[in-house]
Amino acid sequence: SYELTQPPSVSVSPGQTASITCSGDKLGDKYASWYQQKPGQSPLLVISQDKKRPSGIPERFSGSNSGNTATLTISGTQATDEADYYCQAWDSTTAVFGGGTKLTVL
Amino acid sequence: QVQLQESGPGLVKPSQTLSLTCTVSGGSISGDSYYWSWIRQPAGKGLEWIGRVYTIGSTSYNPSLKSRVTISVDTSRNQFSLKLTSVTAADTALYYCARGRDGYNSFDSWGQGTLVTVSS
Repeated sequence: SYELTQPPSVSVSPGQTASITCSGDKLGDKYASWYQQKPGQSPLLVISQDKKRPSGIPERFSGSNSGNTATLTISGTQATDEADYYCQAWDSTTAVFGGGTKLTVL
Repeated sequence: QVQLQESGPGLVKPSQTLSLTCTVSGGSISGDSYYWSWIRQPAGKGLEWIGRVYTIGSTSYNPSLKSRVTISVDTSRNQFSLKLTSVTAADTALYYCARGRDGYNSFDSWGQGTLVTVSS
């Protein structure tokens, strides 16, 4: 079965750039999506189709996908960005999520 | 703005069937190219996709759950449903319903989630 691998945790200082990676076999041939989940809340789509931001998502969120790795980049990270982040892709007709990355802003 | 709301029993006994319904409001469930999914999350763990249904009735399921899962849709009630048979404690989780759209490859609207505990 297809797997997506994320680092369990990433730390960043306020105002700096955070990068969260998601690795999978030939992931660049698929579309990657990213979700933000804060404690007690439902996941929120922040990036779709590798790099598209849904309406209402701040410009500091961006995405890329090439080779075997998709990356979520948060520029000028704010304390409110502290959350769990999940990548997701489709393997044929099966949706697959990465294990999630806890972003700590300190 | 479409909204999704899960409903169903919060406690299910082992070996029994878990049944949940997702009610869609603020838009038709029969909207263009949408599909409707169930996704679960055990406490403190990550997201697991269970399956999806299109309003024409076609379905696809997570291979790891396929033998136990049925997802159906009722367009007259603007609802879709999940049935998971032969549950065990490992099925205890927060269950979300979510909307996806062909060509967008992502889930753009989510319910608030409903906790289902499997215990005798």
